[in-house]
Amino acid sequence: EAQVTQNPRYLITVTGKKLTVTCSQNMNHEYMSWYRQDPGLGLRQIYYSMNVEVTDKGDVPEGYKVSRKEKRNFPLILESPSPNQTSLYFCASSFLWDSNRLGYNEQFFGPGTRLTVL
Amino acid sequence: AQTVTQSQPEMSVQEAETVTLSCTYDTSENNYYLFWYKQPPSRQMILVIRQEAYKQQNATENRFSVNFQKAAKSFSLKISDSQLGDTAMYFCAFDGPGGGNKLTFGTGTQLKVEL
Repeated sequence: EAQVTQNPRYLITVTGKKLTVTCSQNMNHEYMSWYRQDPGLGLRQIYYSMNVEVTDKGDVPEGYKVSRKEKRNFPLILESPSPNQTSLYFCASSFLWDSNRLGYNEQFFGPGTRLTVL
Repeated sequence: AQTVTQSQPEMSVQEAETVTLSCTYDTSENNYYLFWYKQPPSRQMILVIRQEAYKQQNATENRFSVNFQKAAKSFSLKISDSQLGDTAMYFCAFDGPGGGNKLTFGTGTQLKVEL
């Protein structure tokens, strides 16, 4: 089954304790990204990756790191979490736009990770 | 940069009635895609409907249809014969040509379907 998985689904932690949220996809997608969802703000992109070893900042990258050492995995790292990073996080993946590839490259979302930083 | 605006934070509708959710956007692109996503209490992001900007015909998916006005940069979602299972947060979103780009989301409309 084609899917994007995230772990953990729920996490409660304390300020300053490093954590990693994993994201994995089995569709051989080049493009992967992380979003955070906050009430009244919708979803905002944190980081994205267009392929292995190629990552770039989205709209709200402060306080986050990512890596893309393998095509299927795109972990989100919070080196020193703070309460303002309490949020719902989504990983998404898709094929990268290619003028030779017909049709639209739909983005697939993971199930979300609810993070609470105390 | 693209922006997406949803001006209705909350809406309610009676079961079996019709409701329209509004969305406006701003872009300098000519080719792009617009979406409505549904987020039920499970928090899963579910694609409801997609509209290609180069298509004049409005997209429909069963009880869901859109009114796409490219010149006005308006993209509303109509839900016909509303059902209790339609209760959810609905997000309007924008994507650039072809996909595999950053999705720009609106702030969402919480829809409640009542008996």
